[in-house]
Amino acid sequence: SQQGEEDPQALSIQEGENATMNCSYKTSINNLQWYRQNSGRGLVHLILIRSNEREKHSGRLRVTLDTSKKSSSLLITASRAADTASYFCATASGTALIFGKGTTLSVSS
Amino acid sequence: GAVVSQHPSRVICKSGTSVKIECRSLDFQATTMFWYRQFPKKSLMLMATSNEGSKATYEQGVEKDKFLINHASLTLSTLTVTSAHPEDSSFYICSARDWQGNSYEQYFGPGTRLTVT
Repeated sequence: SQQGEEDPQALSIQEGENATMNCSYKTSINNLQWYRQNSGRGLVHLILIRSNEREKHSGRLRVTLDTSKKSSSLLITASRAADTASYFCATASGTALIFGKGTTLSVSS
Repeated sequence: GAVVSQHPSRVICKSGTSVKIECRSLDFQATTMFWYRQFPKKSLMLMATSNEGSKATYEQGVEKDKFLINHASLTLSTLTVTSAHPEDSSFYICSARDWQGNSYEQYFGPGTRLTVT
């Protein structure tokens, strides 16, 4: 089963531009997490935002959470070619994490 | 942070054979591990939750007799794909939960690429 739905599915931008990805989920949550995956590799945890938080920053990453709309966004500022990857949101279902479909970000130099 | 390893990182096998994938938590004990499957350009799909010393809990649609999970110790869970077929070719990722003092964190292995010919 999949909990989150990201949009857009694919995003192509130039280096230096900002990239925004959105995630919607269906059930109530305690927190929402964002992960990054380079092609054919494992997952890298980026950031966790709790249900009582509305915004969180980590370096060039900014995550927002709107529990009334059951949605979250991930903003990557001043993107770099190295940010090219797939990005997934994930929420907990019991003890397991359920992942959204992901956004594939391509940053060209 | 905590480290989770998987072995092998990639494996090619012939149809009808069985393949075992290991997932290890290297510097912590994990009572719970998870197995995910990922098709190309798709998201991770939870296959099963593996609990140390007890039977795994499989997600709907996942054949427990085909995907055998054994969590025999607090640092090792194995996934055996039995009688593999080409449609079992996929990227398999495990994760393990670690208690961080006030919450659980989940750490992911690097994945295993299975190709069945």
